[in-house]
Amino acid sequence: AQRVTQPEKLLSVFKGAPVELKCNYSYSGSPELFWYVQYSRQRLQLLLRHISRESIKGFTADLNKGETSFHLKKPFAQEEDSAMYYCALSGHQGTALIFGKGTTLSVSS
Amino acid sequence: DTGVSQNPRHKITKRGQNVTFRCDPISEHNRLYWYRQTLGQGPEFLTYFQNEAQLEKSRLLSDRFSAERPKGSFSTLEIQRTEQGDSAMYLCASSYLRGGSYEQYFGPGTRLTVT
Repeated sequence: AQRVTQPEKLLSVFKGAPVELKCNYSYSGSPELFWYVQYSRQRLQLLLRHISRESIKGFTADLNKGETSFHLKKPFAQEEDSAMYYCALSGHQGTALIFGKGTTLSVSS
Repeated sequence: DTGVSQNPRHKITKRGQNVTFRCDPISEHNRLYWYRQTLGQGPEFLTYFQNEAQLEKSRLLSDRFSAERPKGSFSTLEIQRTEQGDSAMYLCASSYLRGGSYEQYFGPGTRLTVT
């Protein structure tokens, strides 16, 4: 079955602490993996794609095919990182995204 | 604003009524997607188009739901005989091929409440 699992509903950290948002997936084949973010009262927006291997707003994510994971990391959290984060996969180019249930990241000072 | 737009933003309707939502994608995007999101869940795929062709429909999409994209530009999603379980946020996204993958850009959503 195709599935994305985000095991934490809520992750609370202090400003400056490292952050790791976990994402595991189940897919028979080679999916594309994405992280989307939704800030308060804003629309869902793309944060990262595994294919581009880029760092956005200090966040990185590495695809681990052996562990079927795509965890999102940031070494030093900022208050403005507080948001809902969704991990998603796409089976092959341009098809539907399958989303996890999301993790709320709360960064406090 | 050149992003994906959706109208209306909110819709309250009585059970049994029909509703129609509209999505205007980013102009150069040839793919358009519909998702539904309920509280505490991530978005769930409903259907998607490439230009005017509907390429895939989810098994979640009952016969009461129909979507069109007649000229390959805007799209409409109609729900007939609404039920309380249809209450959700309906999201539209559009995409184009960039750097070897399709990035989906989402609209603000239409929140449907069925009373």
